[in-house]
Amino acid sequence: AQRVTQPEKLLSVFKGAPVELKCNYSYSGSPELFWYVQYSRQRLQLLLRHISRESIKGFTADLNKGETSFHLKKPFAQEEDSAMYYCALNPGNTGKLIFGQGTTLQVKP
Amino acid sequence: SAVISQKPSRDICQRGTSLTIQCQVDSQVTMMFWYRQQPGQSLTLIATANQGSEATYESGFVIDKFPISRPNLTFSTLTVSNMSPEDSSIYLCSVGLGQAGNTIYFGEGSWLTVV
Repeated sequence: AQRVTQPEKLLSVFKGAPVELKCNYSYSGSPELFWYVQYSRQRLQLLLRHISRESIKGFTADLNKGETSFHLKKPFAQEEDSAMYYCALNPGNTGKLIFGQGTTLQVKP
Repeated sequence: SAVISQKPSRDICQRGTSLTIQCQVDSQVTMMFWYRQQPGQSLTLIATANQGSEATYESGFVIDKFPISRPNLTFSTLTVSNMSPEDSSIYLCSVGLGQAGNTIYFGEGSWLTVV
């Protein structure tokens, strides 16, 4: 079955602390994975694509096929990082995204 | 990226009525989709809007309840028919860009409340 799991509903850290938002997937083929972010009262925004291996706003995510994971990391959290983060799978490049349940990141001052 | 505009951004609807949501993109796109985000929930794909043919619906969604039109490569509509309070959700339009449409962008969403 095709599935995306974000085990943490809420992750609360202090400013300056490292952050890791977990994402695990279930997919038999070669996965196409994304991280999206939704700030309060704003639209869903694309944060990262695994194929581009980029770093956006200090966030990185590495695809680990052995562990079927695509965790999102940032070494030093900022208060403005507080938002809802969704991991999504694009099965077979169809564009029909399968989303995880989302993790709310709360960065405390 | 693409500029994706949705109308209305927000509405309060009476039970039993229908509402049509519009999605306009500033460039021609092949892939266009509609999602629903129920309160406190993640996003669920409703259907793929196909240009020139009937939409392709995901399991649990039917054309009678969510008729979709896609008259060209820049525009689509989603109608939520015979609404009930359970239809209170954010409805989002998304498009696929890039090579093989492998980057998906979202509109700002249309927040519907059914009373």
